[in-house]
Amino acid sequence: QVQLQESGPGLAKPSETLSLTCTVSGGSISSYYWSWIRQPPGKGLEWIGFINNGGTTSYNPSLKSRVTMSVDTSKNQLSLILTSVTAADTAVYYCARDRRLRPGVDGLDVWGQGTTVTVSS
Amino acid sequence: DIQMTQSPSSLSASVGDRVTITCRASQSVSNYLNWYQQKSGKAPKLLIYGASSLQSGVPSRFSGSGSGTDFTLTISSLQPEDFATYYCQQTYSPLYTFGQGTKLEIK
Repeated sequence: QVQLQESGPGLAKPSETLSLTCTVSGGSISSYYWSWIRQPPGKGLEWIGFINNGGTTSYNPSLKSRVTMSVDTSKNQLSLILTSVTAADTAVYYCARDRRLRPGVDGLDVWGQGTTVTVSS
Repeated sequence: DIQMTQSPSSLSASVGDRVTITCRASQSVSNYLNWYQQKSGKAPKLLIYGASSLQSGVPSRFSGSGSGTDFTLTISSLQPEDFATYYCQQTYSPLYTFGQGTKLEIK
C-alpha cells in the first residue's frame, strides 16, 4: 500500500529557507492531491496547503507569501519550501494523501510519520 | 476562512462510556467534514469522511453525523485504545481548516 516518508534538515536558523521532501512509495503521485500539515509542539494541526501533479495549489493564507509546493513525478516526490523561517515555524511537518475531488471519498487518508523541524540560532 | 470550533476541548470518560464530540463551522461546509484521531507522537488517522462515512478499517463504534454547520463524532463504547486527541477538518473550501482538537482522557 501507499507509504509516505518526509525528510528534512531537522534544524534551521532564523531567516533561512526550509526545504522538505515527501517520498511516495507503493503508488503513483499522479492521481491524487497531496497536502502538507504541521503541528507545533503541544499544539493542534495546521494545514499548510495542497498540490496536485497538474500544478494546482492552494495555500494557507497565513503562510502563502512564504510557501511554495512542487511535485516531481519522475521521483514520486513532493517538496515544500518555506522561506524566512522563525521560531514560530518549529513543528512536526506531515505530508498526506488528499482525496480531494475523488468521487465518493474525501479526507487525508494516508499520512507520513512526520519530520521534526526546529528553528533556532 | 472557515473557522472550525470543537467542544469540549478536553473530556474525561471511562471505558465503556458513550462519548460525543461536537464540531461547528463558521459557515456551511455541506458534508465536507472529516474526523481524525491522533495518538501521542503519531500521525493523525482518518476516521470519518464526508461527515458520516466510516473510513476503511475503522471500528464501527465510531460514527459521525451532521451537515451544514453542526457535526458530531460519537464513540458508542469507549475502548482503552480510543484515548487520544480528535480533530475535525473541513474540505468544503480549498482553504482547509482544522478544529483545535478535543483531548479524550481516561477518568
